[in-house]
Amino acid sequence: EAQVTQNPRYLITVTGKKLTVTCSQNMNHEYMSWYRQDPGLGLRQIYYSMNVEVTDKGDVPEGYKVSRKEKRNFPLILESPSPNQTSLYFCASSLLGEGIYGYTFGSGTRLTVV
Amino acid sequence: SQQGEEDPQALSIQEGENATMNCSYKTSINNLQWYRQNSGRGLVHLILIRSNEREKHSGRLRVTLDTSKKSSSLLITASRAADTASYFCATDAWGNNRLAFGKGNQVVVIP
Repeated sequence: EAQVTQNPRYLITVTGKKLTVTCSQNMNHEYMSWYRQDPGLGLRQIYYSMNVEVTDKGDVPEGYKVSRKEKRNFPLILESPSPNQTSLYFCASSLLGEGIYGYTFGSGTRLTVV
Repeated sequence: SQQGEEDPQALSIQEGENATMNCSYKTSINNLQWYRQNSGRGLVHLILIRSNEREKHSGRLRVTLDTSKKSSSLLITASRAADTASYFCATDAWGNNRLAFGKGNQVVVIP
């Protein structure tokens, strides 16, 4: 089944404790991206990657890191999480052509930083 | 960055009625896409319309695009309770390599 797999689904952590949210897709998509979703703010892009070893900042990259060492994986790293990073996070992937085609989204990771 | 903005923000209709929502954006686009999200779950891609297209259909969905007004509409015909969800438009701007989402439009279909 074609899918984007995010783990974990839920995570509660303490301020300052490094964490990684994994994202993997099995569709050979070039483009992958991370978004966070907050009430009243919609979805905001954190980082994106157009291919292996190519990553770029989105709208809200502060406090996050990403890497794209393999085409299928695009982990999101929070080196020192803070409470304002409490949010619902989504990974998404897409083919690239004349623009970005339709995203396939993961199921989301609900992160709480206390 | 460019964002789509949906209107109205919330819509409540009876089952069987049509639901229409609009999206406006600010710059030139490659394409515009609509997504559905059920209560905190991942978004699901519904339909993509390219900048050189004016109308597109998919099942009970009809999307229009007016690039001169920088706006799009999504029509859901003969709505069902299962259509209750939030609907987002997203724009892929020329040369931007990014997909920017609006804040979403909540639709409640009453059985």
